[in-house]
Amino acid sequence: DTAVSQTPKYLVTQMGNDKSIKCEQNLGHDTMYWYKQDSKKFLKIMFSYNNKELIINETVPNRFSPKSPDKAHLNLHINSLELGDSAVYFCASSQVLGARNTIYFGEGSWLTVV
Amino acid sequence: DAKTTQPPSMDCAEGRAANLPCNHSTISGNEYVYWYRQIHSQGPQYIIHGLKNNETNEMASLIITEDRKSSTLILPHATLRDTAVYYCIVGPFDDMRFGAGTRLTVKP
Repeated sequence: DTAVSQTPKYLVTQMGNDKSIKCEQNLGHDTMYWYKQDSKKFLKIMFSYNNKELIINETVPNRFSPKSPDKAHLNLHINSLELGDSAVYFCASSQVLGARNTIYFGEGSWLTVV
Repeated sequence: DAKTTQPPSMDCAEGRAANLPCNHSTISGNEYVYWYRQIHSQGPQYIIHGLKNNETNEMASLIITEDRKSSTLILPHATLRDTAVYYCIVGPFDDMRFGAGTRLTVKP
């Protein structure tokens, strides 16, 4: 069983379109995240949600809107896609368990905007 | 945003120990040091973390200096599959800021 799963794995779309990336975790974690890794390979946090509430909202365009229907899911919706949105998007989840507080990442969703 | 400094790249011979350094001179008293790695654009994988004591698990050892301003990740017997980018991160685990990391290449 995949702990953190994202769909789709690959997505090619045209500028101006609206698309969503879905994420699900089966670890029972309370906190979920979206990270973006650009062409220069820098991995940056975009959002984090704890029990369906937004905790971290970095400076990303408001075309990006996370949605958490329940604590096992955190979807990323992107409106009016631009060329610069091309990147790999990683979903992640975590739970504080005493000192065993770690983040588990999904395998990534490769978004290409043409 | 990253609070750490790592060499951009390192090489290691297969079967030898790989020692990856990290400087985190501005670490505060309650911040942990975390190590993750990313193999060929897969999702980052947790390796180990520590506060002030040295730590060891099945993957690696973490040595933290007494003043906590630097640390070293040790892969005791590196294999070709350990070729990856290794990230040293300092901060709260629920707000991890990744730097550029060290690209470790294990050579036969």
